[in-house]
Amino acid sequence: DAKTTQPPSMDCAEGRAANLPCNHSTISGNEYVYWYRQIHSQGPQYIIHGLKNNETNEMASLIITEDRKSSTLILPHATLRDTAVYYCIVRVSNTGGFKTIFGAGTRLFVKA
Amino acid sequence: NAGVTQTPKFRILKIGQSMTLQCAQDMNHNYMYWYRQDPGMGLKLIYYSVGAGITDKGEVPNGYNVSRSTTEDFPLRLELAAPSQTSVYFCASSYGVAGARQETQYFGPGTRLLVL
Repeated sequence: DAKTTQPPSMDCAEGRAANLPCNHSTISGNEYVYWYRQIHSQGPQYIIHGLKNNETNEMASLIITEDRKSSTLILPHATLRDTAVYYCIVRVSNTGGFKTIFGAGTRLFVKA
Repeated sequence: NAGVTQTPKFRILKIGQSMTLQCAQDMNHNYMYWYRQDPGMGLKLIYYSVGAGITDKGEVPNGYNVSRSTTEDFPLRLELAAPSQTSVYFCASSYGVAGARQETQYFGPGTRLLVL
């Protein structure tokens, strides 16, 4: 099963870009990279996903390296409300279903 | 749509008691999941279901049971509560596996369980 490695915590100044890295060196060719975040005490929230190409939506951008062994989530203009734990996840397939493995994530602190 | 709803929001149990955590979704999703999250830790998958009548174990199924009699509901049962089951429980749902966007999981607000 593909696993991910993320730094335990990061700081970012309000209004600056937050770049959150993730290593997934054992990812297989048909596995997607997902990012979720969890604001204190709430259920996780979907942010973005990608396979090979870079992706952008209204919340963030996702940059995936050409060898797909790592990716970076970019919050272009971080606000205090972006303070949360960010999870990088690789979908694991299994016959008849799939299991999503959430690691410890990166705790992002956005400071004024 | 209400999305994913969970009841109760908070519960205190005595050791050995039983209870059922309720989860419902109104998005007609095929897949549903139960996770637990211990303080300062990530989420761990307890059980999941790919459709009505079909369930399977996740990473940490011991001490729990599930059923899926309808598409909408996926209750989690604790038969003999133990202190180790003190945690926050999240239910989630997704449409399916055919395509990454359909695998996006939508989470409920969580149930906080304290076993004393």
